[in-house]
Amino acid sequence: SQQGEEDPQALSIQEGENATMNCSYKTSINNLQWYRQNSGRGLVHLILIRSNEREKHSGRLRVTLDTSKKSSSLLITASRAADTASYFCATALMEYGNKLVFGAGTILRVKS
Amino acid sequence: KAGVTQTPRYLIKTRGQQVTLSCSPISGHRSVSWYQQTPGQGLQFLFEYFSETQRNKGNFPGRFSGRQFSNSRSEMNVSTLELGDSALYLCASARDRGSNYGYTFGSGTRLTVV
Repeated sequence: SQQGEEDPQALSIQEGENATMNCSYKTSINNLQWYRQNSGRGLVHLILIRSNEREKHSGRLRVTLDTSKKSSSLLITASRAADTASYFCATALMEYGNKLVFGAGTILRVKS
Repeated sequence: KAGVTQTPRYLIKTRGQQVTLSCSPISGHRSVSWYQQTPGQGLQFLFEYFSETQRNKGNFPGRFSGRQFSNSRSEMNVSTLELGDSALYLCASARDRGSNYGYTFGSGTRLTVV
């Protein structure tokens, strides 16, 4: 079964708006990563946040991590049509040698 | 530098056959992991190879196997194919074991079993 649960399953917004996706997980982690996937292609690594970090930024992306609540959020600011994709959180589990366990993903559609 | 290369991109096989998929990681990357993606089960970890040794394995039957060569290239093999093996198979490479810097994924091999 998957470690992470993502919310919402799908999100539709207008270009220029912000998009927020949430991820919850169940066990202790080494780090949490966010990936993007366009139309069933390969995954693109977006950002990694370690278990001792609370917030991280990369361009228009902002990721937060709350280990007490076992949750993370990904914020995409000023969204563009090109941001339309599926977004996955993945946790690297301590007891499994850092293999990635993926959530079900959020499908983001940005309308122009 | 070149990314992770997976071949072939598409494959159609018949039930009962076997298939071999190939993955060439980024130059200098020694860790290669394989994932299966299906609409029903999502992304699931198959196995990880590092220095030609399998370091980690997911919950898949023994029909799924793999190996890694001295140049870090990896292959995965699925024998006695079943309809449920139809999926996108993704390969990911990393510099070292562990994922402290994130993984680089290939574009995947889409396998259809008929």
